[in-house]
Amino acid sequence: GAGVSQSPSNKVTEKGKDVELRCDPISGHTALYWYRQSLGQGLEFLIYFQGNSAPDKSGLPSDRFSAERTGGSVSTLTIQRTQQEDSAVYLCASSPSLSVNEQFFGPGTRLTVL
Amino acid sequence: AQKITQTQPGMFVQEKEAVTLDCTYDTSDPSYGLFWYKQPSSGEMIFLIYQGSYDQQNATEGRYSLNFQKARKSANLVISASQLGDSAMYFCAMREGWGVTGGGNKLTFGTGTQLKVEL
Repeated sequence: GAGVSQSPSNKVTEKGKDVELRCDPISGHTALYWYRQSLGQGLEFLIYFQGNSAPDKSGLPSDRFSAERTGGSVSTLTIQRTQQEDSAVYLCASSPSLSVNEQFFGPGTRLTVL
Repeated sequence: AQKITQTQPGMFVQEKEAVTLDCTYDTSDPSYGLFWYKQPSSGEMIFLIYQGSYDQQNATEGRYSLNFQKARKSANLVISASQLGDSAMYFCAMREGWGVTGGGNKLTFGTGTQLKVEL
């Protein structure tokens, strides 16, 4: 079946602009995660959604970052007033539930802020 | 303190040889899980293997095995019979707690080890 998809695959923007990154999880997966991978670094947790519960936003680096998940499926990560340090690959992952260990990752969105 | 430490930024191995990638972790939570992911140059994260803190036996998945030494807080990945396609970045990660009350299974990653398999 289809895996996790993300769009766009690449995004170049100017400093100060807002960007929206999209994630389509695997159908039926209730848990959805956003991570950020800066150049040459490991992944950094940003936010996760589980069903209808309030999201865990503990990893968001600033109030310029927000995310929503509509209808328990598609998620959008929004970065307002982008800064050069926001340049990274943003990865989305989904999992069937919190009782399943494996997280299935999408291909990521490479964000470049000029 | 770093929660996940991978001390080998780069490793080389000959094809068909075995290789061990090191990972140490730090947590005070008695319930945790340890993961290894592979990231080829294409960028996608591929799950390899999982070890729970209460698992008595070391996890194995095909050519991958996890050498879990709880007292030393290490979770090294062993790849047997290396293949050219194993060349990639490898990340060790940890989940602390479990489920909703345990932080939702969010993962903390190490900085990775770049493995290059040579002929």
